[in-house]
Formats: sequence, C-alpha cells, structure tokens
Amino acid sequence: AQSVTQLDSHVSVSEGTPVLLRCNYSSSYSPSLFWYVQHPNKGLQLLLKYTSAATLVKGINGFEAEFKKSETSFHLTKPSAHMSDAAEYFCVVSELRAGNNRKLIWGLGTSLAVNP
Amino acid sequence: KAGVTQTPRYLIKTRGQQVTLSCSPISGHRSVSWYQQTPGQGLQFLFEYFSETQRNKGNFPGRFSGRQFSNSRSEMNVSTLELGDSALYLCASSLGLGSTRYQETQYFGPGTRLLVL
Repeated sequence: AQSVTQLDSHVSVSEGTPVLLRCNYSSSYSPSLFWYVQHPNKGLQLLLKYTSAATLVKGINGFEAEFKKSETSFHLTKPSAHMSDAAEYFCVVSELRAGNNRKLIWGLGTSLAVNP
Repeated sequence: KAGVTQTPRYLIKTRGQQVTLSCSPISGHRSVSWYQQTPGQGLQFLFEYFSETQRNKGNFPGRFSGRQFSNSRSEMNVSTLELGDSALYLCASSLGLGSTRYQETQYFGPGTRLLVL
C-alpha cells in the first residue's frame, strides 16, 4: 500500500544550525513528491517539488530536498536555520492513476522549532 | 492573480445543524480539493472536483458532500454536525491538466475554521 512516513513529529534546532526533516515513502508508481510548509495561522505553501527531472530539488527560503529512489526517501534540508523557519512541514506523494486521476498521500507533518 | 479564497473564515455551529463552505479557486484552475485539518489527525483528504465531477473521495461519511460549479467554484456541505467535525477546512486549487495533474502544485486558501458546540 502507498504511504508516506515523516520520521519525526517534532524537530528542534538552534538558529544557524542545519535542518533535516525526514520523509520516507512507499509507492508502486513513479510518483511526484512535494514538501509544503504551514506557518502558524497561515495557509499551506509549496516549498519544493520533485517531478522526475533533477533528483536534487531547490526550493524557496534556502530549502532543498534530494529524491533517492533506492532509499525511497525525500528528506528536506537547509544549511542554516532561521527563526522564521519555525512551522509545520508536510511531505506529500502524488501518483498518476487511471483516467488521469491523481492520488495524493500526505504525511502527518513535522513541527520544526527554531531556538535562538 | 488573486489567490484561493474561502468563505466564511470562521463559523460557529451547534450539533445537528448543517453548514456550507465556499471556495473560489485561482482563475484558470479547474481542480478543487477539500481537506480537513485537526491537531490529532493532520490533513485528511475529503474530495476533489474537476469539471464539475467528483474525481476522488476520501474516507469520510456521507454527511460530507461537495459540488463544483461551471466557473470552478466549489462548495462543501456538512449535514448533521457532530462535535468531532470541529476543524480547519482547507480548499486547494490546481490547473488540472491531463496526465500531468499529479505533478501540479496545489494552491491553498486560508481555510474556514469551524467550531461545533
């Protein structure tokens, strides 16, 4: 069965240190993968996405993620955390199904706290 | 371009009532999806509409229904409200272009926060 596992429900880092948010997936298809971010009391926003082109994907605000098919992972990283990065992060797998329908599988989210 | 808009932003209802939420997608977007977000359950997919047809449905009871109009605007309805329906309801739109739909970015509205008393 298709699934998305965000390995940490909460991550806490100090400002200026690296960020690693982990996402593993299971899919029988050739999926696209997304990271969305939700800041407190704000809407969800796309951070970056993988669509079968380059496996290293760069997103907004200095974030990047690497698609590793052999490890079925799509971990999100940032070299240096900023206070404004504190938010909820969601990993999403998207599959093309019959009739051009789309099947989305959402992870449960990782809450990132950034300490001064 | 205007973003996804949702109305109302906040709603308080009592058990047993029904509620209708509205979503206006980004101009040109033909696909609209609805999600329920709660602290314990994360984002739960409700349904997706494309060209006035429901394309996908999540695992929610029949009390939850939706529709899409010819201008792509969408509404969702919840009948016989229960306390557990208290949540943030999010609408997302995307272009809806054939076989590349699964690669499309979803653009989310600010949500409607529903409180059931």
